[in-house]
Amino acid sequence: EPEVTQTPSHQVTQMGQEVILRCVPISNHLYFYWYRQILGQKVEFLVSFYNNEISEKSEIFDDQFSVERPDGSNFTLKIRSTKLEDSAMYFCASRAGTSPLHFGNGTRLTVT
Amino acid sequence: AQKVTQAQTEISVVEKEDVTLDCVYETRDTTYYLFWYKQPPSGELVFLIRRNSFDEQNEISGRYSWNFQKSTSSFNFTITASQVVDSAVYFCALSEGGGTSYGKLTFGQGTILTVHP
Repeated sequence: EPEVTQTPSHQVTQMGQEVILRCVPISNHLYFYWYRQILGQKVEFLVSFYNNEISEKSEIFDDQFSVERPDGSNFTLKIRSTKLEDSAMYFCASRAGTSPLHFGNGTRLTVT
Repeated sequence: AQKVTQAQTEISVVEKEDVTLDCVYETRDTTYYLFWYKQPPSGELVFLIRRNSFDEQNEISGRYSWNFQKSTSSFNFTITASQVVDSAVYFCALSEGGGTSYGKLTFGQGTILTVHP
């Protein structure tokens, strides 16, 4: 079964550094998402992306965050200047039409 | 605004017991979708089920069953004859309407289920 692939599985970065989290959605999917889960807490929506533009974003998704689909297969989340509170598991997800969201295995981001 | 409440933070059972995970939701939309996801210790989110607001039929899949009641805004999940492999965090989630909003899920806090041998 096709999968959403996220790399790296774990990223450690220093506060103030830029970080890019990478995702390869399922190939025929058109809708892409990033979610965040702070350790021990619920999963929170960050942003949705369709037709090469952001469809919707949450309050969490401020100017420090950006998303991009640089080619036909990758979908990236960039955090420009990381803060300690950005430490979390970041999940990429994709869907086709009204199919359920398929989530990747997540990237654990640790900001020190 | 939409909201999902999973009042049970943690549940502990012994193998072969039945267990029900509660989920209560709030939404103003008449068209919405409800989901359950499983998060095992390895951390990934595994899709279990989706129901739309117009389909109140209960569903059974093997040892899993779901009870959707619009009158009480609840979408409860029962595991029959639980097994150690069922140990995980279970999330209930809600999505409103269609189009691009469909994939914008509001998750509950999650219920940690521990099944002891």
